[in-house]
Amino acid sequence: AQTVTQSQPEMSVQEAETVTLSCTYDTSESDYYLFWYKQPPSRQMILVIRQEAYKQQNATENRFSVNFQKAAKSFSLKISDSQLGDAAMYFCAYRSPSAGSYQLTFGKGTKLSVIP
Amino acid sequence: KAGVTQTPRYLIKTRGQQVTLSCSPISGHRSVSWYQQTPGQGLQFLFEYFSETQRNKGNFPGRFSGRQFSNSRSEMNVSTLELGDSALYLCASSFDYSNQPQHFGDGTRLSIL
Repeated sequence: AQTVTQSQPEMSVQEAETVTLSCTYDTSESDYYLFWYKQPPSRQMILVIRQEAYKQQNATENRFSVNFQKAAKSFSLKISDSQLGDAAMYFCAYRSPSAGSYQLTFGKGTKLSVIP
Repeated sequence: KAGVTQTPRYLIKTRGQQVTLSCSPISGHRSVSWYQQTPGQGLQFLFEYFSETQRNKGNFPGRFSGRQFSNSRSEMNVSTLELGDSALYLCASSFDYSNQPQHFGDGTRLSIL
């Protein structure tokens, strides 16, 4: 079974600065999908960015980018020019395409605080 | 385009009762998954439905069940409620293409007294 580990329960960043959230995962599969979701206090899980394992190029979405290291099984999220609205829980998630299922395996999450 | 809609938003029940939660997926999405979120266990997968069939099931007791209707709307039911069932229950839907992400609803906060 796959596992996802987020080793930083809490992090803080100054507004306008850059922060990196860590995520490692364990899998024996060669093809899979990785996601970062954001959950603000409003509760809704919002997709931030996704990465397909067969793509070597790191995904980027505006101020959000990932550092995907397949051999190291590492998938970190970098948030540039942090804004107050970035404060939330961030979850790293893994999905295997081989099971014919959309089941996501989540890490425990990282609570990000943004300091004005 | 409307997002994933979950009802009710909040629910309070007592031990031993049963509860039914509802989820309406984004129009065109045929895959619906349910997750339980608690402070201690985090996000755990409950089950997934596609075209009215359960496609996958997590490690939860048989008190947790679900179904999907022909319009892709889904319900989950929890019988004989226990205090430990207090949680945020999240529903997610997706197109049935392997590279498509899941989109989540706002969740139902279930509190057991």
